[in-house]
Amino acid sequence: GDSVTQTEGLVTLTEGLPVMLNCTYQSTYSPFLFWYVQHLNEAPKLLLKSFTDNKRPEHQGFHATLHKSSSSFHLQKSSAQLSDSALYYCALREGQGTGSKLSFGKGAKLTVSP
Amino acid sequence: NAGVIQTPRHKVTGKGQEATLWCEPISGHSAVFWYRQTIVQGLEFLTYFRNQAPIDDSGMPKERFSAQMPNQSHSTLKIQSTQPQDSAVYLCASSLAPGGCAETLYFGSGTRLTVL
Repeated sequence: GDSVTQTEGLVTLTEGLPVMLNCTYQSTYSPFLFWYVQHLNEAPKLLLKSFTDNKRPEHQGFHATLHKSSSSFHLQKSSAQLSDSALYYCALREGQGTGSKLSFGKGAKLTVSP
Repeated sequence: NAGVIQTPRHKVTGKGQEATLWCEPISGHSAVFWYRQTIVQGLEFLTYFRNQAPIDDSGMPKERFSAQMPNQSHSTLKIQSTQPQDSAVYLCASSLAPGGCAETLYFGSGTRLTVL
């Protein structure tokens, strides 16, 4: 079954509006969550990852908070920019230690228009 | 640092032919992952090596797909008797391992496989 669920497939926003991409997960072990971003014709790359000490990771204006009570790691940004148009994947480290794979959601395609 | 290198960038095969995809991980990285990317399914895990040993191949279609890592500098993904549904972008990623649960994956640009 799906370990990571991203509900939005396509998101279209006007520049300047807030961004929120949803991510929920199912995990038996203590979860590590990630957001990867893939711009057109580029490789996916890490955007940010969860911490174990309740810090809120931030990068390029994006932030996400791991909420274990609701099994969520939603990605947010206060003001969308044209350059934010890309594919965004939420990912979960499953299993324990380094013998575990990274499972990705189906992705959300964000398009920011002027 | 050249990053993860995947060759070829594009491959077109006829139905029933074999396709071999190559990946060179970042030097010093000991974990290599293979993923398949499609619009419908997103990034699907295929298989994972650590220190050249296969760790998890739970995502590999067993009958026609195989992966190897003969040395620390390259891995191959082979698809026998390719079918149109195998058409996808195949992504290779590497990471430092053991790096803990928060280790970052570094992806290559992928090989776009088209099966006619």
